[in-house]
Amino acid sequence: DTAVSQTPKYLVTQMGNDKSIKCEQNLGHDTMYWYKQDSKKFLKIMFSYNNKELIINETVPNRFSPKSPDKAHLNLHINSLELGDSAVYFCASSHGTGNNEQFFGPGTRLTVL
Amino acid sequence: DAKTTQPNSMESNEEEPVHLPCNHSTISGTDYIHWYRQLPSQGPEYVIHGLTSNVNNRMASLAIAEDRKSSTLILHRATLRDAAVYYCIRPAPYNQGGKLIFGQGTELSVKP
Repeated sequence: DTAVSQTPKYLVTQMGNDKSIKCEQNLGHDTMYWYKQDSKKFLKIMFSYNNKELIINETVPNRFSPKSPDKAHLNLHINSLELGDSAVYFCASSHGTGNNEQFFGPGTRLTVL
Repeated sequence: DAKTTQPNSMESNEEEPVHLPCNHSTISGTDYIHWYRQLPSQGPEYVIHGLTSNVNNRMASLAIAEDRKSSTLILHRATLRDAAVYYCIRPAPYNQGGKLIFGQGTELSVKP
């Protein structure tokens, strides 16, 4: 009965490869997010989708392409991976935007070699 | 810009109350204050939020100053499981997607 799930939990890959991280929520929320936590533990918003429409893109390189096939899923595809992409990526969801509680997934640790 | 200021770290003893402070001197009248925490190797977890008056839930209490320029998260009896990084956050407004802007947070350690 996991609320927000992400796959895979760990991802190790070579520079230049393309990879995807999947996120699913079973909470019936209409808003989903991707956050990145770097090696210094700073958490930063990357994208936000509401009802499958992009509403936030925090100047993320266009190598990162989120896709929301339906309201319960927000996947993150990354092209031409770089060393600096190594981080923990968290998916989150909420009911609407603004002051509603966000529920986070367990994170995906991406390591680019 | 997180727009909140917290101490980098705090220590507590198990079963004692903990008061985690946060300054948000530029807060506007409609900005809520949210608290999240991140346990080791886990995603952030919602703790509590409030606007003007003090708030309580099963996890914690939130005391908001009368001028709203500061607030304090209160854990009434710290347990070892409460060791985490605690973030005081002002979510972006609805028209900016409600994103959470995380600062450095306060790393709370709990001693047995």
